[in-house]
Amino acid sequence: GQQLNQSPQSMFIQEGEDVSMNCTSSSIFNTWLWYKQDPGEGPVLLIALYKAGELTSNGRLTAQFGITRKDSFLNISASIPSDVGIYFCAGLNYGGSQGNLIFGKGTKLSVKP
Amino acid sequence: NAGVTQTPKFQVLKTGQSMTLQCAQDMNHEYMSWYRQDPGMGLRLIHYSVGAGITDQGEVPNGYNVSRSTTEDFPLRLLSAAPSQTSVYFCAARTGSPQGYTFGSGTRLTVV
Repeated sequence: GQQLNQSPQSMFIQEGEDVSMNCTSSSIFNTWLWYKQDPGEGPVLLIALYKAGELTSNGRLTAQFGITRKDSFLNISASIPSDVGIYFCAGLNYGGSQGNLIFGKGTKLSVKP
Repeated sequence: NAGVTQTPKFQVLKTGQSMTLQCAQDMNHEYMSWYRQDPGMGLRLIHYSVGAGITDQGEVPNGYNVSRSTTEDFPLRLLSAAPSQTSVYFCAARTGSPQGYTFGSGTRLTVV
């Protein structure tokens, strides 16, 4: 099946630092999404990307859809303690009423105040 | 408007027991799905449904059954639990948009 390679697996950073994580795939996707998961909760959508080359921001978060359609990255600027959690990339080939998310294995972010 | 509700939140089973994980949504979404999350593995798709009466297998369907008799409910059944099914299970419902996934808060299942 399709697989997404997400890196790094974990990060320990100081508050105020910028964070970068990325996701690559052996297959093409027509949609990339980035989710955050807090402990004991389900994933919550951060950013959705729909076009190759697209760069989208959501507050301190910026994500890009790679031009090959096989990769995406997420940047978090000026990290704060509430950024702690697990970040997942997900690829989707959306068509009609179907389309299943394929998830990366996650990046666990820890922030030292 | 509760979104996606999963019950129970925690469950311990003995090997060979059966149980049903419940998932209900109040958003009238046609598409629903079940994922399992294991440490370091991300979320993997078990089964999904594109509407009442229609279900299909995902990446890891073995050992699990589903049915979809109503739009609102999508239960996941374990007929004979095995320790390999120890995991956190998430149900999701989706609108007609790629970004429209709503996840439940999960069921943590331990099989001993």
